[in-house]
Parts: sequence; C-alpha cells; structure tokens
Amino acid sequence: QQQVKQSPQSLIVQKGGISIINCAYENTAFDYFPWYQQFPGKGPALLIAIRPDVSEKKEGRFTISFNKSAKQFSLHIMDSQPGDSATYFCAPTLGTNFGNEKLTFGTGTRLTIIP
Amino acid sequence: DVKVTQSSRYLVKRTGEKVFLECVQDMDHENMFWYRQDPGLGLRLIYFSYDVKMKEKGDIPEGYSVSREKKERFSLILESASTNQTSMYLCASNLWAQGAHEQYFGPGTRLTVT
Repeated sequence: QQQVKQSPQSLIVQKGGISIINCAYENTAFDYFPWYQQFPGKGPALLIAIRPDVSEKKEGRFTISFNKSAKQFSLHIMDSQPGDSATYFCAPTLGTNFGNEKLTFGTGTRLTIIP
Repeated sequence: DVKVTQSSRYLVKRTGEKVFLECVQDMDHENMFWYRQDPGLGLRLIYFSYDVKMKEKGDIPEGYSVSREKKERFSLILESASTNQTSMYLCASNLWAQGAHEQYFGPGTRLTVT
C-alpha cells in the first residue's frame, strides 16, 4: 500500500530560503509526477508537474527535479514567501493515455515560512 | 474557470445515521472522485466514476457507496455513519488535456460523527 513516501512531514523555512520536499515511489509504471498545493480551508490544486522524459521543470520560483533511476522527485521552492505556507502533496500517476487515471497521494508536507 | 462545489462545508451526524455528501462540477468532466483526508495519511481514494452510472472502488471503499445519476453530480453515501468516518471529504473531477492530467478539487466537507 505504501507506494508513495513523502518527506518531511513538516518543514519550517525562513523567508527567502529554499524549501525542499521529497517524494519516493515504487511503481515504475508511473508516468506523470505532479505536486499539489493545499491552503487551509481549500481543496488541493495542481501546482506543477513533470513527465519522466525530462529531469527538471521550472515554473517561476517552483522547480521539480526528477530522478528516474532513484524513483524520486522533489519540489524546490526558491525565495520562499509566507504565502507559500501550505500543505504540499506529491501525487504520481499512471494510465495517462486514458484520462481516468487515479492519483496516488503522498502523506503531505506542511510547510511554514517564517518572516 | 472550473468549479467543483460540495453541498456542505461542515456536517455533524450521529452514529448510525445515513449521510449524503453531494458534489457538483460545471465543466462536463467525465471523471469524478471522492477522497478522504486525514492527518498523516494524505488523501485516500474512496470511489471514482468515469461515466454516468459507472463507478469503481478506490483504496478504502468499505462503509461507503456512491451514486452518479447525472454527469455533473457525484454523491457519496455513508449508509450507517460511524465515528471512524469522521474526516475531511474531498470531491474532485478530472480534466484530460494534451500532455496534462489535472484533478480539480472542491473545498471539502468536514464531517464529524458523534
């Protein structure tokens, strides 16, 4: 059942610092690797995602690094801001050709950015 | 702008009651999902539906059932609520666009069973 392991469970980072969250998976059939962001009182929302044919994807201050051989991918938040304080979930998936894929969520990382 | 709405934000029910959680999406998505979210466990899939009247069990379907009579509406039913079903329930719908797979979530229903 433990197909996806996310770490750390919680993280406190100084404003302006780099936040790093890791996700390890077991299923080598996974072919789409998203990160979701959830603010208190809201449902999760897609933040950034990567496919296995690239090793890194950057969108603004957010970067995904993907290591296929290690079966790991990570989220890096550069210049972390208080507004980034949220819970982050990795959610690798498979069956992307069919449109009815199931997401396998990690256990979540509560990120707090302090001034 | 995709919108997924859930009928209640907070719900308090007694043990043994039948509970209905309703979810509506406005983007004509074929796929809809019900998850429960618990601290330290992340989101766990209860049921999903890929078409009207079609449903499939997720990872934790025990104690739950679902109904999808119309494309835009997906209901989660707790036949006889128990205290271990106290949780946050999240509904999602699925968009498949070229090269991307995104699930759109509602705001959640926090259910307390006493």
